Amino acid sequence: QVQLQESGPGLLKPSETLSVTCSVSGDSISSSSHYWAWIRQPPGKGMEWIGSIYYSGVTYYNPSLRSRATISVDTSKNQFSLNLSSVTAADTAVYSCARHVVGSNPCDMWGQGTRVTVSS
Amino acid sequence: EIIMTQSPGSLSVSPGERATLSCRASQSVSRNLAWHQQKPGRAPRLLIYGASTRATGVPARFSGSGAGTEFNLTISSLQSEDFAIYYCQQYSDWTWYSFGQGTKLEIK
Repeated sequence: QVQLQESGPGLLKPSETLSVTCSVSGDSISSSSHYWAWIRQPPGKGMEWIGSIYYSGVTYYNPSLRSRATISVDTSKNQFSLNLSSVTAADTAVYSCARHVVGSNPCDMWGQGTRVTVSS
Repeated sequence: EIIMTQSPGSLSVSPGERATLSCRASQSVSRNLAWHQQKPGRAPRLLIYGASTRATGVPARFSGSGAGTEFNLTISSLQSEDFAIYYCQQYSDWTWYSFGQGTKLEIK
């Protein structure tokens, strides 16, 4: 059974760097079939795709976040991570990780998300 | 960016009744449209992909329809476990996924 589990800081101050990690079990992050994605949902708003990474390190980002977002993969730990720099209150959200098959395919497995609040 | 717009924002329906949720894309996504269900504190679950194909284990009361820019998710006879938030996702542009803002399905 594939499971994705996010972990994160909970609370950050403005201008800090957000770091969240997704631990994958039941599947290999080195699978040639899948990309691994970060998606966030601010309070009261819809979901926003942040970006996706392949095990080789190939990444795709939402252009609106590309300048601040870095997604990386650690195949030895079967994890992938998101760093988001220079956060503001607008980055307050539930951050979720997900899996999608290579190519035009939807997210087919999700984590339950970790809430991150940016506040001074 | 392909903008996804869902309607209504919330819907109150009695158990046993039928519910229809809508999703509109700002440009054609062909049939590259999925529906996800999310319950409080739980991971979202893929329900429908390819606009109308049910994912593994999804009950037959869930059906999807549409193509191009207009899509519907219909739940034929609502069960208590169906009350949740539903999101549509386009994956036509798989280098820039986008989601609708969600429809909250509530018990009437």
